[in-house]
Amino acid sequence: AQTVTQSQPEMSVQEAETVTLSCTYDTSESDYYLFWYKQPPSRQMILVIRQEAYKQQNATENRFSVNFQKAAKSFSLKISDSQLGDAAMYFCAYKGNNAGNMLTFGGGTRLMVKP
Amino acid sequence: DVKVTQSSRYLVKRTGEKVFLECVQDMDHENMFWYRQDPGLGLRLIYFSYDVKMKEKGDIPEGYSVSREKKERFSLILESASTNQTSMYLCASSRLLAHTDTQYFGPGTRLTVL
Repeated sequence: AQTVTQSQPEMSVQEAETVTLSCTYDTSESDYYLFWYKQPPSRQMILVIRQEAYKQQNATENRFSVNFQKAAKSFSLKISDSQLGDAAMYFCAYKGNNAGNMLTFGGGTRLMVKP
Repeated sequence: DVKVTQSSRYLVKRTGEKVFLECVQDMDHENMFWYRQDPGLGLRLIYFSYDVKMKEKGDIPEGYSVSREKKERFSLILESASTNQTSMYLCASSRLLAHTDTQYFGPGTRLTVL
């Protein structure tokens, strides 16, 4: 079974600074998909960014980018120019190619943004 | 605008009660999911459904059942609630077998079992 590990239960960043959230996963599959989801306080979870394992280029969405290291099974999220609205729980998730649309989530990282 | 709604944001029940959590999506999605979210454990899949009247067990189905009589509605049932089922419950939906398609989540129901 696949596992997803987020080793940082909490992180903090100064507004306008850059922060990196870590995620590692364990799989024997060669083709899979990785996601970062954001859950703001008392608000619905939303997708931040996704990465297909067969793509070598790291995904980018505005201030959010990933560092995907397939050999190391690492998928970190970098948030640039942090804003107060970035404060949230962030979940890393894995989906295998043969898993229908089922996701395996990490334990989450709570990000605090200091003004 | 896509929308997944859940019947209650907060729910308090007593041990042994039968509990129904309802989820409705308006995106005509085939897949629907029920997760529970606990601190440090992330989200764990309870059940999912890929079609009306179809269901599959997730990672932690014990103590739960589900019902999907209509495409837009997916219900989670706790036949006899226990205190260890106190948790946040999240519903989600997605298109069928779209590998890169996102799951859309509801706001969650925080269930407390006394």
